[in-house]
Amino acid sequence: GEQVEQRPPHLSVREGDSAVITCTYTDPNSYYFFWYKQEPGASLQLLMKVFSSTEINEGQGFTVLLNKKDKRLSLNLTAAHPGDSAAYFCAVSANGNEKITFGAGTKLTIKP
Amino acid sequence: GALVYQYPRRTICKSGTSMRMECQAVGFQATSVAWYRQSPQKTFELIALSTVNSAIKYEQNFTQEKFPISHPNLSFSSMTVLNAYLEDRGLYLCGASQQFSNERLFFGHGTKLSVL
Repeated sequence: GEQVEQRPPHLSVREGDSAVITCTYTDPNSYYFFWYKQEPGASLQLLMKVFSSTEINEGQGFTVLLNKKDKRLSLNLTAAHPGDSAAYFCAVSANGNEKITFGAGTKLTIKP
Repeated sequence: GALVYQYPRRTICKSGTSMRMECQAVGFQATSVAWYRQSPQKTFELIALSTVNSAIKYEQNFTQEKFPISHPNLSFSSMTVLNAYLEDRGLYLCGASQQFSNERLFFGHGTKLSVL
């Protein structure tokens, strides 16, 4: 089955700096890719959903890159601010609606 | 819009007792419901995937005997944790989706289970 590896498990950056979180996956049939944010004590908040047909997606303050050849997905936060401190999870699915496989998560800390 | 209400948000149960959590889909037809567990300091593991009018598929390490699921219609699903012990602690999440659609899974807020 699908395996998703997420790195790094912990990341600390200064306010205003950028932060990059990367996931690699194994199933070449994967088509839907998700990034979620989980603040302490809270549930998952969807940051972005990426389809296999789109390699670069931009959100508010972040960019998601998909490299299908290397089976790599990355989340790049630009100009991090304290509100970005949270756990981030990538998730991958072949069909987008049912079973999705999560990465192990990255705990991001923004230092003042 | 599409929403999933999950309750209770938090619950505490004594070791060896059982607790039930429920999910209600609003604004769309929840043809499929996936139940996940996030144990402390870990990622989300799929427990089972339930599709209306189909058998419920449990992942390895999770059984119907321990986590019975009900999915009687297109708006409701429940899961019970039977004989809960310390290793069952964590955040349980339901995610519902409308099949044959490109809509994402809509997650509930989760049920945080503590076991004494």
